[in-house]
Amino acid sequence: AQTVTQSQPEMSVQEAETVTLSCTYDTSESDYYLFWYKQPPSRQMILVIRQEAYKQQNATENRFSVNFQKAAKSFSLKISDSQLGDAAMYFCAYRGYGGSQGNLIFGKGTKLSVKP
Amino acid sequence: DTGVSQDPRHKITKRGQNVTFRCDPISEHNRLYWYRQTLGQGPEFLTYFQNEAQLEKSRLLSDRFSAERPKGSFSTLEIQRTEQGDSAMYLCASSLGTGLSDTEAFFGQGTRLTVV
Repeated sequence: AQTVTQSQPEMSVQEAETVTLSCTYDTSESDYYLFWYKQPPSRQMILVIRQEAYKQQNATENRFSVNFQKAAKSFSLKISDSQLGDAAMYFCAYRGYGGSQGNLIFGKGTKLSVKP
Repeated sequence: DTGVSQDPRHKITKRGQNVTFRCDPISEHNRLYWYRQTLGQGPEFLTYFQNEAQLEKSRLLSDRFSAERPKGSFSTLEIQRTEQGDSAMYLCASSLGTGLSDTEAFFGQGTRLTVV
């Protein structure tokens, strides 16, 4: 069975600084998708960024980028120029190729605080 | 707003009572998912519908849980004879997909259930 591990329950960053959230996963599949979701307090979960395992190039979305290391089964999220609105729970998630995008396996999450 | 909506947002019930939650997906989305999220954990997959057909159920979905999606539009999740361990946030997500292709999954704000 696939598993997703986020080893940092909480992280803190100064506004305008850069922070990296870690995620490792375990799978025997060769094709799959990886995601980072953001869940602000009392608000719905939104997709931050996604990575297809067959793509070697790391995904980027504005201030958000990932470091995808397939052999190491590592998928970290880097947030540059952190903003107060980035404060939230961040979940790393895995989906096997061929299934619907909704059938996700999540890690336990990392709570990110942003200090002004 | 045409996002995923869930009702109610909060529900407090006595142990042993039945509860029903509703999810209205984005109107053109044919796939609908239910997840459960307990405190300090990431969401865990419960069940998945494509149109009106329930295609997958997690082993987390005990016999006390039942989900329906009549006519392939809104969905309901019913929990019978609630137990304190059922206390959690119940999340609904929807996506548009055919076969292996799928759009991003959009999440609702969830229904927080408290069993006393």
